[in-house]
Amino acid sequence: DGGITQSPKYLFRKEGQNVTLSCEQNLNHDAMYWYRQDPGQGLRLIYYSQIVNDFQKGDIAEGYSVSREKKESFPLTVTSAQKNPTAFYLCASSIIRGSQPQHFGDGTRLSIL
Amino acid sequence: QQQVKQSPQSLIVQKGGISIINCAYENTAFDYFPWYQQFPGKGPALLIAIRPDVSEKKEGRFTISFNKSAKQFSLHIMDSQPGDSATYFCAANSGNTPLVFGKGTRLSVIA
Repeated sequence: DGGITQSPKYLFRKEGQNVTLSCEQNLNHDAMYWYRQDPGQGLRLIYYSQIVNDFQKGDIAEGYSVSREKKESFPLTVTSAQKNPTAFYLCASSIIRGSQPQHFGDGTRLSIL
Repeated sequence: QQQVKQSPQSLIVQKGGISIINCAYENTAFDYFPWYQQFPGKGPALLIAIRPDVSEKKEGRFTISFNKSAKQFSLHIMDSQPGDSATYFCAANSGNTPLVFGKGTRLSVIA
């Protein structure tokens, strides 16, 4: 089945550590996105990429980094500079022919130890 | 300009009743308006979407009403069921830009 796989489901980080969240898609979509979800805040865009080796900052990129070395993969690193990393992180993908829906993975919940 | 404002924040509906969630936008360039449904611990799933060339779209018990002049669109869930209890997000975008999401509505359908 085609879809988006996020791993791990749960992740714990110690203070001062960087952690990387995985996102893989087999939908052959060009664009991939990372969102952060906090209670009552909706989905806020962190980074997105529409082509391999290129990505753009979203609304809350500070303290995060991404790479897009393969079309299928868009990992997100939460760096130690992100002071409030506890959240639910969602990865999505879409085709980029005009306005199209985004398809989401089932998220990674990151907590600070 | 990029915001999508969603209301109410939470909603309680009796089983069999109609659930109504509203969204408003300001960017007149937006040309795609989807609604997503999210269950706890899961990612949002596309429920129904509309483009501005029509004023209403119906899929089963779910209907989107779209008012271009007022820059508003709404989701109606007819005959609401306990299984519809979830968080609903409206969104909008144009061209190849990322979707802009509302802050969500937590729907509880009680028997």
